[in-house]
Amino acid sequence: DAGITQSPRHKVTETGTPVTLRCHQTENHRYMYWYRQDPGHGLRLIHYSYGVKDTDKGEVSDGYSVSRSKTEDFLLTLESATSSQTSVYFCAISVSQGGAEAFFGQGTRLTVV
Amino acid sequence: KQEVTQIPAALSVPEGENLVLNCSFTDSAIYNLQWFRQDPGKGLTSLLLIQSSQREQTSGRLNASLDKSSGRSTLYIAASQPGDSATYLCAVSSDNAGNMLTFGGGTRLMVKP
Repeated sequence: DAGITQSPRHKVTETGTPVTLRCHQTENHRYMYWYRQDPGHGLRLIHYSYGVKDTDKGEVSDGYSVSRSKTEDFLLTLESATSSQTSVYFCAISVSQGGAEAFFGQGTRLTVV
Repeated sequence: KQEVTQIPAALSVPEGENLVLNCSFTDSAIYNLQWFRQDPGKGLTSLLLIQSSQREQTSGRLNASLDKSSGRSTLYIAASQPGDSATYLCAVSSDNAGNMLTFGGGTRLMVKP
């Protein structure tokens, strides 16, 4: 298994509360990504990072922010959780852009009630 | 915008059959195509990565082909086993979409003993 740890693995939170999901890697890969997986929509990119403090938006970034202060950690924050953000969130890493193999974490199941 | 389609959405076969899963994409300007396996409630496991300059990749009983000009890839599974039961996802990395992987909706495979 690629050295990717997501925490927490499961979380239930109330609408309007802030939530932070953590992705930790031990591979020293430059690129890190956050995807969400929903029935009928598949996996979609939320944000990605191409280095410490370097991040960019993906396809479905509204309502989410990210931070990367160390190579090994990539945080995803829902500033004010909504029911539409109930999903399974996956972190992924790759050593470089375009052409490099991507490796995924085990996922975080988030339920917003 | 890149779109990825996987056919069929679900497939049930008896053990021992050889089978083919299909993946098509709309924009041939890709860096690579990657096949993943996902077990229920689990993360994505990378199976095969095909670079845009390659025609096929093999790993054990799995063989993936790529026809970039026609926007198609196939995953061939030889002598299927019940342990192959899972959802199979294909994803493309496009050079007009930065580092984003665009995923198909997956094929849910069941191999019956």
